[in-house]
Amino acid sequence: AQSVAQPEDQVNVAEGNPLTVKCTYSVSGNPYLFWYVQYPNRGLQFLLKYITGDNLVKGSYGFEAEFNKSQTSFHLKKPSALVSDSALYFCAVRDDTDKLIFGTGTRLQVFP
Amino acid sequence: DAGVIQSPRHEVTEMGQEVTLRCKPISGHDYLFWYRQTMMRGLELLIYFNNNVPIDDSGMPEDRFSAKMPNASFSTLKIQPSEPRDSAVYFCASSSTARNYGYTFGSGTRLTVV
Repeated sequence: AQSVAQPEDQVNVAEGNPLTVKCTYSVSGNPYLFWYVQYPNRGLQFLLKYITGDNLVKGSYGFEAEFNKSQTSFHLKKPSALVSDSALYFCAVRDDTDKLIFGTGTRLQVFP
Repeated sequence: DAGVIQSPRHEVTEMGQEVTLRCKPISGHDYLFWYRQTMMRGLELLIYFNNNVPIDDSGMPEDRFSAKMPNASFSTLKIQPSEPRDSAVYFCASSSTARNYGYTFGSGTRLTVV
């Protein structure tokens, strides 16, 4: 069965520093991978996806994610963090029935 | 495009009362999902529909929960009778298989059962 794991409950980073939010996946077949962000009192918002093609995927708000097949990872990255990036981030994988399986979420805290 | 619209935004009710949550998906989307989010259990898929037909309701916690989708533009999630442990944020999301396989989420309904 398809699944994703987000090993960190929280990531703390200083503003201006690079950030990484980790995600590993387990799928049978080709993975369809997604990142979503949730700001306080809001629904989840789509950030980016990997379906096929380049391993480095660029998304909204300056975020990007690197697909690594050998390490079964899809880490979310940003070269320079902003305080406004502080939010809850979810990794997800599409399963055989077309529904998304979400990870447990990682809270990103960017300190000024 | 107004996005996925959920109502009400907040609901406070007494234990034992019936609660109905509403969702209007994005026009043209053929999938609709109901999720529940709590601190303890994270984001849980309750049920989803494809072309108004329930496909998988294995996430519905108990018989007290029911969901309907009478047409392509409307869905309800009903809890009867409600209990304090049902307190959570309930999200509706819609998706189209013809697009990018991503979901569009509504802003959620924060339910408090006292």
